[in-house]
Amino acid sequence: AQSVSQHNHHVILSEAASLELGCNYSYGGTVNLFWYVQYPGQHLQLLLKYFSGDPLVKGIKGFEAEFIKSKFSFNLRKPSVQWSDTAEYFCAASQYGNKLVFGAGTILRVKS
Amino acid sequence: DTGVSQDPRHKITKRGQNVTFRCDPISEHNRLYWYRQTLGQGPEFLTYFQNEAQLEKSRLLSDRFSAERPKGSFSTLEIQRTEQGDSAMYLCASSRQLGHYEQYFGPGTRLTVT
Repeated sequence: AQSVSQHNHHVILSEAASLELGCNYSYGGTVNLFWYVQYPGQHLQLLLKYFSGDPLVKGIKGFEAEFIKSKFSFNLRKPSVQWSDTAEYFCAASQYGNKLVFGAGTILRVKS
Repeated sequence: DTGVSQDPRHKITKRGQNVTFRCDPISEHNRLYWYRQTLGQGPEFLTYFQNEAQLEKSRLLSDRFSAERPKGSFSTLEIQRTEQGDSAMYLCASSRQLGHYEQYFGPGTRLTVT
């Protein structure tokens, strides 16, 4: 069955620390990968996406993610987090524009 | 681009009552999705439409759930004979059919069944 797993449910960092959130997927064939973010009180927003080509994708607000096909991974990174990055982050996958399958989410708290 | 809108934002109902939610997608998007999210979990797929055709339904969608998109624009999700286990956030998303299929989400409808 198709599934997405996220390694950490809660992460606490100090401002300026580097961030890496793990995501692994279980899919056969071509897969599209996404990271969504949900800030407190707001709806899900697309942070970045991978469809094909360069496996290192850059998104909004300084976030990037690397698609490693051999490891079935799509980890999210940011070199230096800010207090405003406090949010819940969801990794998701789909095939051929169909339903998204989400991970359980990682709650990030950045201490100022 | 006004975004995906959902109505109502909050609904409290008694067990056994019927409820209906509405979703208005981004105007040029012809795919529309419904998801359900409970506390501590990521959204789970319920069903999706391409124009007015319902193309896939999850096994999560019991007989008490029905969704429509009669004119290929807005969609409704109805839950009949609500149960406490139906309490959740119901999310709607839309996307274009062609090109890169990123989905844009609405604010959700939070359902509480008492």
